[in-house]
Amino acid sequence: EAGVAQSPRYKIIEKRQSVAFWCNPISGHATLYWYQQILGQGPKLLIQFQNNGVVDDSQLPKDRFSAERLKGVDSTLKIQPAKLEDSAVYLCASSLDPGGVFEQYFGPGTRLTVT
Amino acid sequence: ELKVEQNPLFLSMQEGKNYTIYCNYSTTSDRLYWYRQDPGKSLESLFVLLSNGAVKQEGRLMASLDTKARLSTLHITAAVHDLSATYFCAVAMFSGGYNKLIFGAGTRLAVHP
Repeated sequence: EAGVAQSPRYKIIEKRQSVAFWCNPISGHATLYWYQQILGQGPKLLIQFQNNGVVDDSQLPKDRFSAERLKGVDSTLKIQPAKLEDSAVYLCASSLDPGGVFEQYFGPGTRLTVT
Repeated sequence: ELKVEQNPLFLSMQEGKNYTIYCNYSTTSDRLYWYRQDPGKSLESLFVLLSNGAVKQEGRLMASLDTKARLSTLHITAAVHDLSATYFCAVAMFSGGYNKLIFGAGTRLAVHP
């Protein structure tokens, strides 16, 4: 079974530029998550999708971050404009069900450096 | 708001020794997860604990959950260098009809000869 795919793996941009990350979850997983992991910290949930609907975006900085999940499969996370404090690893995860066992499977992440 | 605290945050262990990592959380939950993260890598699921008193073991690692005390432990037996990594606990919080995970800050484990 293929895991969660993310691209790019690394990205360096200057502040005020925009950037987009892509995620392809495990086939059949209805729930998709984007996390931000700042160096030395645990992952923080940014947004959670159930199929292609948003169920939690309470910690998403909506003035600069946006995310979509078209057709309930792939997802993109965008930052525009980026700030220095956005430097982090962005992790995508998916789970088969948001209730039940609720085990989440993580992708390799995209490491963003904002200069 | 659910808060998850791990301790210690840093742990230097000698090979062959035993130690325990603690994960405390602030509000009721009956689901807790342990993940491992190697430097520059993503998170790997280690254990899923779904009820009070749950105990899971894999190799030199054993995890347990006490929902009444809001405490989970990850016990390391006879540590080896390959266990060097950062270990995260994550607690499920039910909100708005869905579960979401709240992660601890992680315990960075270094096992040396």
